Amino acid sequence: AQSVTQPDIHITVSEGASLELRCNYSYGATPYLFWYVQSPGQGLQLLLKYFSGDTLVQGIKGFEAEFKRSQSSFNLRKPSVHWSDAAEYFCAVGAWEAAGNKLTFGGGTRVLVKP
Amino acid sequence: NAGVTQTPKFQVLKTGQSMTLQCAQDMNHNSMYWYRQDPGMGLRLIYYSASEGTTDKGEVPNGYNVSRLNKREFSLRLESAAPSQTSVYFCASSEPSRWGYTFGSGTRLTVV
Repeated sequence: AQSVTQPDIHITVSEGASLELRCNYSYGATPYLFWYVQSPGQGLQLLLKYFSGDTLVQGIKGFEAEFKRSQSSFNLRKPSVHWSDAAEYFCAVGAWEAAGNKLTFGGGTRVLVKP
Repeated sequence: NAGVTQTPKFQVLKTGQSMTLQCAQDMNHNSMYWYRQDPGMGLRLIYYSASEGTTDKGEVPNGYNVSRLNKREFSLRLESAAPSQTSVYFCASSEPSRWGYTFGSGTRLTVV
């Protein structure tokens, strides 16, 4: 069965600094990988996804992620953080099964942005 | 631009009470999902429905039942609520071939 680990529960970053969130996955086949963001009291919004091809994928809000098969990782990055990026971020791996497709999420990383 | 609508947004139940969480989507998606979110554990899949007329268990189905009433609606029922079911519940829908999940805004459930 697939699984996702996000090693960092909390990260604090200064506004304007760079941000990197770690994600490691376990899946037997070629993974479909996703990053979602959740603002306080809201549902989840898709930031970006990786299916195949170029291992560096661009998403919304200036985020990007790099797929590294050898490390089973899909880390999320942003060069310069804005106060509005304070939120919780979830990495997920998608799997096709006989009953349909489904996402498995990591535990999340909460990002705090200091002025 | 409704997307996925969940009702209610907040609910407090006493142990042993029952209730149904409602979810409806207007995007004509085939697949629908129920997740629960607990601190440090991310979102865990309770049940899902790949298409109208089918439902399957996810990672944490015990204590829950679901009904795919039609293509639009997917309800989650707690027959006898327990404090361990205190959580935030999210409904989502997707078109399987596109992997584009749309989430509702959640139902915060407290069982006392």
